[in-house]
Amino acid sequence: DGGITQSPKYLFRKEGQNVTLSCEQNLNHDAMYWYRQDPGQGLRLIYYSQIVNDFQKGDIAEGYSVSREKKESFPLTVTSAQKNPTAFYLCASSIGSVGQPQHFGDGTRLSIL
Amino acid sequence: DQQVKQNSPSLSVQEGRISILNCDYTNSMFDYFLWYKKYPAEGPTFLISISSIKDKNEDGRFTVFLNKSAKHLSLHIVPSQPGDSAVYFCAAMGTTSGTYKYIFGTGTRLKVLA
Repeated sequence: DGGITQSPKYLFRKEGQNVTLSCEQNLNHDAMYWYRQDPGQGLRLIYYSQIVNDFQKGDIAEGYSVSREKKESFPLTVTSAQKNPTAFYLCASSIGSVGQPQHFGDGTRLSIL
Repeated sequence: DQQVKQNSPSLSVQEGRISILNCDYTNSMFDYFLWYKKYPAEGPTFLISISSIKDKNEDGRFTVFLNKSAKHLSLHIVPSQPGDSAVYFCAAMGTTSGTYKYIFGTGTRLKVLA
């Protein structure tokens, strides 16, 4: 079955550490996205990528970094510069054409120890 | 500045009745609008969408209405079922420098009472 896999489901980080969240898709989608969800808020865009080896900052990119070396993979690194990293992180992909919906993974919940 | 707003954080409806979820937007340049459903600890799943050139789209129990002059869309679920209990997000799709982006509302939690 095609889909998006995010791992791990739960992640704990110590203060000052970088952590990387994995996102893999086998839908052959060109576009991939990372969102952050906080309680009572919508999904806020962190980074997105329309093609391999290219990505753009979203609305809240500070303290985060990404790479897109393969079409299937779009890992997100939460750096120590992100002052409030505790949140639910969602990865999505889409064909990249107008009107096409995004497909989401089941998310990673990051907590600070 | 919130470009997509869902002003009702929660809604309770009796099983079998109609559920109406509302969404307002500010940017008249959005091309498409989408509704997603989300269960706890899972990612959102796509429900239904509507092009900005249409005013209605229907898929089974789900119908989305778009009022462009009022910059308002709504999702109707008829009849509502207990399994519909979830958080519903509306999203608007537009282009920025040739790139498609999705802007989400804050969600409405629907509870369907048996």
